[in-house]
Amino acid sequence: GAVVSQHPSWVICKSGTSVKIECRSLDFQATTMFWYRQFPKQSLMLMATSNEGSKATYEQGVEKDKFLINHASLTLSTLTVTSAHPEDSSFYICSAPKVPEDTQYFGPGTRLTVL
Amino acid sequence: AQTVTQSQPEMSVQEAETVTLSCTYDTSESNYYLFWYKQPPSRQMILVIRQEAYKQQNATENRFSVNFQKAAKSFSLKISDSQLGDTAMYFCAYNRDDKIIFGKGTRLHILP
Repeated sequence: GAVVSQHPSWVICKSGTSVKIECRSLDFQATTMFWYRQFPKQSLMLMATSNEGSKATYEQGVEKDKFLINHASLTLSTLTVTSAHPEDSSFYICSAPKVPEDTQYFGPGTRLTVL
Repeated sequence: AQTVTQSQPEMSVQEAETVTLSCTYDTSESNYYLFWYKQPPSRQMILVIRQEAYKQQNATENRFSVNFQKAAKSFSLKISDSQLGDTAMYFCAYNRDDKIIFGKGTRLHILP
């Protein structure tokens, strides 16, 4: 297997502030990482593809100025929720594919609560 | 569009029984990967089993096996000798070009 970590595991913030979530591949390198959002009792919704050294690719309907993604190294991607509002409260999960397995390994998730 | 359909929102079985979770998918590609992921109450996504579409042999991992019917675009998961720890949400997923498409999931309850 492979290990992907996320930090923090949970965060509470005030409306209007920004929150940064880190995703790290601990024992492999990943040129791409993926960010998902999961509402309670629902499936994972792909938000964006994080590309090392280049701009992220966002899925339709996801605001790129709201959810800033930076993939600064082969083991780290960050998701920043800017000017957070209560409707941004959710569970955010990242994943990274490990080649040549073509299998996605997932982080443990980050629970964001915006007050 | 690529879609993954899980027709069973929720299932319950007695411990030690066998249960089958259904999944169908839609794609025009010939080579792709299929997965079953488990999400227990901790919400950590755990890979259960993977299948490469060009392989005809059904994948197995201990008590978990799949019935892969490529022509029918069906990919069901069989759990044998179910255990209490198998209680979780199960997601069928399709992967091509590293992008994963998930089904809506099946919530599985293993009853003591």
